[in-house]
Amino acid sequence: AQKITQTQPGMFVQEKEAVTLDCTYDTSDQSYGLFWYKQPSSGEMIFLIYQGSYDEQNATEGRYSLNFQKARKSANLVISASQLGDSAMYFCAMRERSTGNQFYFGTGTSLTVIP
Amino acid sequence: EPEVTQTPSHQVTQMGQEVILRCVPISNHLYFYWYRQILGQKVEFLVSFYNNEISEKSEIFDDQFSVERPDGSNFTLKIRSTKLEDSAMYFCASREGFTGITNYGYTFGSGTRLTVV
Repeated sequence: AQKITQTQPGMFVQEKEAVTLDCTYDTSDQSYGLFWYKQPSSGEMIFLIYQGSYDEQNATEGRYSLNFQKARKSANLVISASQLGDSAMYFCAMRERSTGNQFYFGTGTSLTVIP
Repeated sequence: EPEVTQTPSHQVTQMGQEVILRCVPISNHLYFYWYRQILGQKVEFLVSFYNNEISEKSEIFDDQFSVERPDGSNFTLKIRSTKLEDSAMYFCASREGFTGITNYGYTFGSGTRLTVV
């Protein structure tokens, strides 16, 4: 089974609108972390936001928030007030305590912000 | 802000040739990683390295691959005899120490795009 599933290969959003990128995960660990990374066309991986499995509140970082629904094993990224510079690939990832802290990545969602 | 530096940013090599990808992790970091991303696909774990030895490796990391930290500064990934399917972006990452599951101190480099022709 896939550890991380991103079902949206591509998304479009109008500038200044909000967009939600979906991510579901699969783990039997009690202790794990969920991450979102942005990858622009230049290729580097940029950390956006982190949610720990024991965190009771949803993580927020500026315009990014993570909608964490533990029972449903989902960790959706919400980008508010989209900007043209948000156009990029977005990867959801997970680290589990039991597997030595290596990252498991999803297949990514390509976001295009339309002016 | 401290960075993980990877060189070169892009390397082209002929099939069958050996290639070494170089990384300079953040200076006080103790754990080092290589990941690979084939074009259009997800990022995949290759290997982790701690205390001068491999701590984990994936199925991808076969005998063609090796890693070393030759001088306490650089962290290298060597591919002995490159194949066309080794063409990918290779990311180095490092982290400070045992920080549990948090992202604190886990930093990716900008990647080396390897093209095998």
